[in-house]
Amino acid sequence: DAKTTQPPSMDCAEGRAANLPCNHSTISGNEYVYWYRQIHSQGPQYIIHGLKNNETNEMASLIITEDRKSSTLILPHATLRDTAVYYCIVRVGWGDDKIIFGKGTRLHILP
Amino acid sequence: AAGVIQSPRHLIKEKRETATLKCYPIPRHDTVYWYQQGPGQDPQFLISFYEKMQSDKGSIPDRFSAQQFSDYHSELNMSSLELGDSALYFCASSYDRERVRGTDTQYFGPGTRLTVL
Repeated sequence: DAKTTQPPSMDCAEGRAANLPCNHSTISGNEYVYWYRQIHSQGPQYIIHGLKNNETNEMASLIITEDRKSSTLILPHATLRDTAVYYCIVRVGWGDDKIIFGKGTRLHILP
Repeated sequence: AAGVIQSPRHLIKEKRETATLKCYPIPRHDTVYWYQQGPGQDPQFLISFYEKMQSDKGSIPDRFSAQQFSDYHSELNMSSLELGDSALYFCASSYDRERVRGTDTQYFGPGTRLTVL
């Protein structure tokens, strides 16, 4: 079973920041938080991952709480092309092969 | 940057036929994963290979088999196809885990859409 809980859907106005929350209260010390997204019927796209510290790349920012029990993915300036299902995933990574996808959050970007 | 290549992109088969799906990982990636995504469902892990050896196995039917070759590409063989096998099949690849500290990120291909009639 997935180790994360996400809201089933969210709306965000185009041009605004989209903040997608994720709860992972049972996360272990050696587990990473990964975010992927899937645009309709395309292959899941890697966005970002982190262990303890906040992370930022060209796509998004990842904010992880100090107790690591929750995190937020931030898309700073959402566009219509960001409409997708966003998956928050907890996994060890090294030595842990599979990704267990939960239900994810369906993000709708509104024009 | 080079991505994961999957072929064919679309495949239509009849019940009880066989199908072979191919996956070419990102150059230098030596670990391959297969996932199945049924209509309206989330991707489900099937099987993975590291250095040509099976490394993990999920809910893969006995009718399915897979292997990884010396050039690291992988093939998923599906026999006695059933209507319920109609799905998107994704391949993902990642880099050598023994040299990368911490974690390995999986990168997904565009998928093969299999339709069984």
